[in-house]
Amino acid sequence: AQTVTQSQPEMSVQEAETVTLSCTYDTSESDYYLFWYKQPPSRQMILVIRQEAYKQQNATENRFSVNFQKAAKSFSLKISDSQLGDAAMYFCAYRSAPEYGNKLVFGAGTILRVKS
Amino acid sequence: ETGVTQSPTHLIKTRGQQVTLRCSSQSGHNTVSWYQQALGQGPQFIFQYYREEENGRGNFPPRFSGLQFPNYSSELNVNALELDDSALYLCASSLGTGVGYGYTFGSGTRLTVV
Repeated sequence: AQTVTQSQPEMSVQEAETVTLSCTYDTSESDYYLFWYKQPPSRQMILVIRQEAYKQQNATENRFSVNFQKAAKSFSLKISDSQLGDAAMYFCAYRSAPEYGNKLVFGAGTILRVKS
Repeated sequence: ETGVTQSPTHLIKTRGQQVTLRCSSQSGHNTVSWYQQALGQGPQFIFQYYREEENGRGNFPPRFSGLQFPNYSSELNVNALELDDSALYLCASSLGTGVGYGYTFGSGTRLTVV
């Protein structure tokens, strides 16, 4: 079964600084997607960034980038120039193929606090 | 384009009762998934519906059931409610079932069982 582990329950960053959130996963599949979602107090899950497992190049979306290490099964999120609006719960998620249940498997989440 | 809409936003039920939660998928999305998120935890997959058929199920008992309608909206039904069913229930829709399709989430229904 696929599992996702986020080892940092909580992280803090100063406004305008950079922070990295960690995520590791376990799977025997070769084709899958990885995601980072943000969940603010409004509760809605918002997609931050996604990575296709067969692509070696790390995904980037504006201030958000990932460090995808497939052999190590590691998928960290780097937030540059942190803003107050980045404060939220962040979830790492793995998308399994249809034959493995066709579902998102989430980690336990990391609370990110941004200090002004 | 409208996003995913869930109703109601909050609900309080008594143990043993039944509850129905509703979800309207994003326009053009034919696949709906339901997740249960207990307080302080990550969401857990309940099941997925694709073109009105169940297309995958997580580790939830049969008292969790669902429906998808021709317009792709969906319902989650939970019978014989237990205290542990208290959680945020999230609905997510996508364009299809392929592994590359992204999900659009609703804001959830907060269910409290007393």
